[in-house]
Amino acid sequence: DQQVKQNSPSLSVQEGRISILNCDYTNSMFDYFLWYKKYPAEGPTFLISISSIKDKNEDGRFTVFLNKSAKHLSLHIVPSQPGDSAVYFCAALNSGGYQKVTFGTGTKLQVIP
Amino acid sequence: DAGVIQSPRHEVTEMGQEVTLRCKPISGHNSLFWYRQTMMRGLELLIYFNNNVPIDDSGMPEDRFSAKMPNASFSTLKIQPSEPRDSAVYFCASSSGTSLVTQYFGPGTRLLVL
Repeated sequence: DQQVKQNSPSLSVQEGRISILNCDYTNSMFDYFLWYKKYPAEGPTFLISISSIKDKNEDGRFTVFLNKSAKHLSLHIVPSQPGDSAVYFCAALNSGGYQKVTFGTGTKLQVIP
Repeated sequence: DAGVIQSPRHEVTEMGQEVTLRCKPISGHNSLFWYRQTMMRGLELLIYFNNNVPIDDSGMPEDRFSAKMPNASFSTLKIQPSEPRDSAVYFCASSSGTSLVTQYFGPGTRLLVL
């Protein structure tokens, strides 16, 4: 049972345009959400997070939006750069528990120069 | 600063053989996680240690998998006997006691069981 779903396994975007990566979750107990970025032959690295008390969090070119009623979050990258080409994992957790992080299956982003 | 160290980086073995994956967490981190990455299921948590004690092993697939953390600087994940369906990338991650949220991942071990 996949509690965190990334339904798009891949996405291609032109350099300079916006990249939008989507994520859906089913567990209503999740109240903290993260995005990790993974380059080939490396481990995932933390990118950005958002608490359920917010609906938006911005860090430079990266913005995460949270729609709690829809159980949906998205990561926007503006403008996209070739160095952003990587696999992006959405993750969620219940901060009241032992904070087990549940990851999605990942979306491979390719930014075309 | 050294990050999380995993060895070996690649492992090719034959079905039925024992496989041992190793991890050295970041110094000072007291939480350690083993994950398995597959195309179908993404990153799955296998086991979580806190202060060297297994807290959650509900993700361990079956009895063929075992994990130990004999001290704060070393952990192993063992598969015995290995099967082709165990082929995946196995990641170790660590975090400090103040937050389990931001985990630092190692580079992973790519395992291929023939």
